[in-house]
Amino acid sequence: QSALTQPASVSGSPGQSITISCTGTTSDIGSYNYVSWYQQYPGKAPKLMIYDVSNRPSGVSNRFSGSKSGNTASLTISGLQAEDEADYYCSSYTSSSTLEVFGGGTKLTVL
Amino acid sequence: QVQLQESGPGLVKPSQTLSLTCTVSGDSISNGNYYWGWIRQPAGKGLEWIGRIYSSGGTNYNPSLKSRVTISLDTSKNQFSLNLTSVTAADTAVYYCARGLFTPRLDYWGQGTLVTVSS
Repeated sequence: QSALTQPASVSGSPGQSITISCTGTTSDIGSYNYVSWYQQYPGKAPKLMIYDVSNRPSGVSNRFSGSKSGNTASLTISGLQAEDEADYYCSSYTSSSTLEVFGGGTKLTVL
Repeated sequence: QVQLQESGPGLVKPSQTLSLTCTVSGDSISNGNYYWGWIRQPAGKGLEWIGRIYSSGGTNYNPSLKSRVTISLDTSKNQFSLNLTSVTAADTAVYYCARGLFTPRLDYWGQGTLVTVSS
């Protein structure tokens, strides 16, 4: 069982906005602003999309945004495009371990 | 441009040792601004930390694997390596190496290598 909880799947139509949630505890998301999000296409390595809750690495589209409220972090993708169809993983620093924790992943389907 | 490339056997027999190497280009593994990690992903499942190593040689390991894992640096070759002993079928996965930063995030990943544990 993953330490962070994500919905198994979300879906949306092109042009819409979707949000993927990532729920943790006061030992991780609730106490630290070290949440990151990764995008992974089938058969490919994960790609960093968001770090430190809401920062985008250079080259990542501004259609991707991150936020946090309490013990839950969120990844929002606006203006959904077919190329956004992928798996998304959240990760957070945790005081309970020397390594960060991952969420179980969310499969995004673009209808 | 930073690049990481995993290499090693794709098939390992049960009870033997899984050994993988990650070759880094475009950066030095002696760079104290980063750490170097191993993450794995069983087919159809999520990501799991194996462990990481700092330029100082210090390590952090997943507690569930700690008794079987060793990660080491070879600065002369700009490589870091993973050894996982006493493997079972449960260790079958795609193994990724990655570079990490201290506001923890993994910014560069290798392409991944599939390791199957089977006799």
